[in-house]
Amino acid sequence: GEDVEQSLFLSVREGDSSVINCTYTDSSSTYLYWYKQEPGAGLQLLTYIFSNMDMKQDQRLTVLLNKKDKHLSLRIADTQTGDSAIYFCAFYSSASKIIFGSGTRLSIRP
Amino acid sequence: EAGVAQSPRYKIIEKRQSVAFWCNPISGHATLYWYQQILGQGPKLLIQFQNNGVVDDSQLPKDRFSAERLKGVDSTLKIQPAKLEDSAVYLCASSFPPGLSTDTQYFGPGTRLTVL
Repeated sequence: GEDVEQSLFLSVREGDSSVINCTYTDSSSTYLYWYKQEPGAGLQLLTYIFSNMDMKQDQRLTVLLNKKDKHLSLRIADTQTGDSAIYFCAFYSSASKIIFGSGTRLSIRP
Repeated sequence: EAGVAQSPRYKIIEKRQSVAFWCNPISGHATLYWYQQILGQGPKLLIQFQNNGVVDDSQLPKDRFSAERLKGVDSTLKIQPAKLEDSAVYLCASSFPPGLSTDTQYFGPGTRLTVL
């Protein structure tokens, strides 16, 4: 079935880069997304990538897509305390709905 | 531009009681979604509307959950009667119709439901 897998936790030092990885199942997905969820809030779209791209950069964020391996990653440069949140990988499936992973909780240590 | 509005933000009820949640999508978004997010998990789609018609309700527990979007704008989600396992955050999202733009969904802040 349709699925997204992500590691549950990531801890990085403030100022370092964070890399959050996910794998997905639907090779025909058109868009892949990264959403951020802060405590008590809804999901906020961080960035997306179209499936015919392999990289997208947006300020501190870099998204890498390896379509052959169905692997998506999000790199956050110069990680700050405000980046502490849960990050969800998601893809737009062939069934015309977005499938979300379980989220990676990013914590920042001083 | 105003975002997706939801109310209430929090609700505590006892099992077997009823509860309703309200959502107002972003103006111009024809597609509206209700998700259930259980603690520690990603959102799970319950129902998708296109204007006032249901596109997908395959994961909606229809024996106790119902949703409507009568005029194609606001939507309500109801649970009757609630069970302990319904404790979750209920998220509403809206988007342009599938195939237009980037199929991006915009989420409201959610309603946190606790069933005792």
